[in-house]
Amino acid sequence: DVKVTQSSRYLVKRTGEKVFLECVQDMDHENMFWYRQDPGLGLRLIYFSYDVKMKEKGDIPEGYSVSREKKERFSLILESASTNQTSMYLCASTGLPSSGELFFGEGSRLTVL
Amino acid sequence: RKEVEQDPGPFNVPEGATVAFNCTYSNSASQSFFWYRQDCRKEPKLLMSVYSSGNEDGRFTAQLNRASQYISLLIRDSKLSDSATYLCVVGQYNDMRFGAGTRLTVKP
Repeated sequence: DVKVTQSSRYLVKRTGEKVFLECVQDMDHENMFWYRQDPGLGLRLIYFSYDVKMKEKGDIPEGYSVSREKKERFSLILESASTNQTSMYLCASTGLPSSGELFFGEGSRLTVL
Repeated sequence: RKEVEQDPGPFNVPEGATVAFNCTYSNSASQSFFWYRQDCRKEPKLLMSVYSSGNEDGRFTAQLNRASQYISLLIRDSKLSDSATYLCVVGQYNDMRFGAGTRLTVKP
């Protein structure tokens, strides 16, 4: 079974702190994604990566950056957390050829005070 | 207008009922269509893909109408365990768009 693991299930941070969210997948997938999920808005794509050191902006990249130094690991970075970044963050991966099925991690619920 | 729209519900139905969800999408170039299921405080998981000819998986039937740009999910003989949020997903390859989800509660 595909396993996507997110490092932290729950985090509480203060405004202005730097936040790292880690995601690791064990199926040698090429594509990895970071979404945030908010009530009434569904999942919105922040960034995705289709290869090591490659990254593409999604729909809402402002305030975020990402890093993909190894194929299995995709990190989301909040350089200076703000209260409007309080959300559920979901990492996902999919392989090539892609059936389109996204495999998600369990999510990281971030609260910024 | 959102790219993918779903009725948020909630749908509250008794066990054994038949319930249907619709989802409309705005990008006519979309090639891939899916229904995901998300349990409370859990990650989304693929329920089924949606094919042009329609497809069935046990009690679940998915349909695609490209002309009207909507997909549907029909659940027959609802079970308590079907209670969840159902997400419509539309797009292509690296550009998948999610609906906000339709919440279903099946009651005894």
